[in-house]
Amino acid sequence: EPEVTQTPSHQVTQMGQEVILRCVPISNHLYFYWYRQILGQKVEFLVSFYNNEISEKSEIFDDQFSVERPDGSNFTLKIRSTKLEDSAMYFCASTLWDRVGYTFGSGTRLTVV
Amino acid sequence: AQSVTQLDSQVPVFEEAPVELRCNYSSSVSVYLFWYVQYPNQGLQLLLKYLSGSTLVESINGFEAEFNKSQTSFHLRKPSVHISDTAEYFCAVSASGSARQLTFGSGTQLTVLP
Repeated sequence: EPEVTQTPSHQVTQMGQEVILRCVPISNHLYFYWYRQILGQKVEFLVSFYNNEISEKSEIFDDQFSVERPDGSNFTLKIRSTKLEDSAMYFCASTLWDRVGYTFGSGTRLTVV
Repeated sequence: AQSVTQLDSQVPVFEEAPVELRCNYSSSVSVYLFWYVQYPNQGLQLLLKYLSGSTLVESINGFEAEFNKSQTSFHLRKPSVHISDTAEYFCAVSASGSARQLTFGSGTQLTVLP
């Protein structure tokens, strides 16, 4: 069964550093997403991406965040200057336009120290 | 905007007993409804979904959920649980139409006891 692949599985970074979280969505999917889950809290939507541009974003997705699909297969989330409160599990997801179901990756646990 | 309420944060149940995990939603527009399961140290796996048609939807591992529009609910049920069903279960909703963001509930930890 096709999978969404996320790397790394765990990343530790110092506050103020830039991090890039990487995702390889399912190859024929057209919509791509990032969600995050702070420990003990709900899974929260960050951003959706379609046709090489952001289609929706939440209030969480401020100027410190950016997304990119650099080469037609990878989908990345960049956090420019990490804060302690960015520590969370970050999930990538993808879906076809006809809503067969969002497929999530296994997540990257980001720890900011 | 949509919101999801999962009333029970923890549900312990004995093996082979039935279980119901409750989910209520609110939305001003038509919605699609989903249940996701998260096993320890793993990602979110789609368990089942309601998009349209029959209000009762089933998964391949014996779970079912019923969309009740009048009660704005999408409760998840299984008649007989196994130890392997121990996991966190998330109800989620999206506005119907083209692919949209999911809004998640806070999750229910199902623990199946021997």
